[in-house]
Amino acid sequence: SQELEQSPQSLIVQEGKNLTINCTSSKTLYGLYWYKQKYGEGLIFLMMLQKGGEEKSHEKITAKLDEKKQQSSLHITASQPSHAGIYLCGADPVTGNQFYFGTGTSLTVIP
Amino acid sequence: DSGVTQTPKHLITATGQRVTLRCSPRSGDLSVYWYQQSLDQGLQFLIQYYNGEERAKGNILERFSAQQFPDLHSELNLSSLELGDSALYFCASSVAGGPVSLSETQYFGPGTRLLVL
Repeated sequence: SQELEQSPQSLIVQEGKNLTINCTSSKTLYGLYWYKQKYGEGLIFLMMLQKGGEEKSHEKITAKLDEKKQQSSLHITASQPSHAGIYLCGADPVTGNQFYFGTGTSLTVIP
Repeated sequence: DSGVTQTPKHLITATGQRVTLRCSPRSGDLSVYWYQQSLDQGLQFLIQYYNGEERAKGNILERFSAQQFPDLHSELNLSSLELGDSALYFCASSVAGGPVSLSETQYFGPGTRLLVL
């Protein structure tokens, strides 16, 4: 979706390394969601951010939303093979009645 | 397991045909969302229903329609199918529909893989 730009498109990291995925919108967002998708399967909800400057962590994954509520980053610390998959950000902008997803970041973790 | 079920899991059909995809939301969820995921378009929002009423519409073609029944399950009808309709179709559900935004945590089903030959 052009509404949400996600980078990088793909990432290959060695197990144990840290990594960051970014999600940027040209519009202010009500909420920003991060999902993980295993190839060909449904999306698994990871985190939701709604307040500017908010940061949430779950196990080794931390997500932040900037003060303007237009950009979010997902950071994985000490990556493991179980982190492999496609990470998608999703959001709905303040204007309009739509829900968009980013293009996804494919993460491969090499043992 | 998200608690959202979708049937069938796979569907193979021919161009020009009509198919119906079914979704049962999590217990207690009033909203159902439909999405299409294809390689070239990514994941696109199609339509949302909240407690039986259409709540929001996305990039849904006129050949596609959906409805939500009193028991809250939903069906997505795809007609006059074209090769380009081949995709993964997901439904998701959430507790509420939100009067202002769609910002509700959505739980996704496993998807229906549609192949149009």
